[in-house]
Amino acid sequence: EVQLVESGGGLVQPGGSLRLSCAASGFTFNTYEMHWVRQTPGKGLEWVSYISTGGSNIYYADSVKGRFTISRDNAQKSLYLQMHSLRAEDTAIYYCARGPFYGDYFFDYWGQGALVTVSS
Amino acid sequence: DIQMTQSPSTLPASVGDRVIITCRASQSINGRLAWYQQKPGKAPKLLMYKTSTLESGVPSRFSGSPSGTEFTLTISSLQPDDFATYYCQQYKNFPYTFGQGTKLEIK
Repeated sequence: EVQLVESGGGLVQPGGSLRLSCAASGFTFNTYEMHWVRQTPGKGLEWVSYISTGGSNIYYADSVKGRFTISRDNAQKSLYLQMHSLRAEDTAIYYCARGPFYGDYFFDYWGQGALVTVSS
Repeated sequence: DIQMTQSPSTLPASVGDRVIITCRASQSINGRLAWYQQKPGKAPKLLMYKTSTLESGVPSRFSGSPSGTEFTLTISSLQPDDFATYYCQQYKNFPYTFGQGTKLEIK
């Protein structure tokens, strides 16, 4: 059974940092592209970042570029999102999600989500 | 960025109804459209991709169709488990964008 389990969410002050992790199981992690997608009540679903199977290709949404860094450890079957300079508008549920087919950027499995709250 | 506009935002319906949700793209996306279902407190669930290809395990009462830059999700006979929020997503161009959602609620 495919499972994605996020961790690392929490309350952080504006300007602070947080690192999200996503532990994958039930599939061959190193053969799948991975993404982070976030959800807020106000803006709905927003794709955040993508990483290729080997980590050599990475994309970011403009809203997080320069502040967030996506990475993966295929040996540990884990995906990460390092977030710096956090803002109130980054408050959201962050999901890791799997891209099922090479080059097709939709998401067939999602984690349960990690809540990030940016507030003083 | 490609804008995805869903309508309606809320759709009151009854069990057994045939319902249609529409998603319009601001430019051509060559059929690269996915639909998701989300229930409260849960992650979105993939229903279909490439406009009309059903994900494994999704009931056949769900179908999708295109008409230029307008796409529809149809549920042929609404079941109690279908009351949820539905989102479309284009994956033609980066950044990959979602519609704002359609909440299917009990009439």
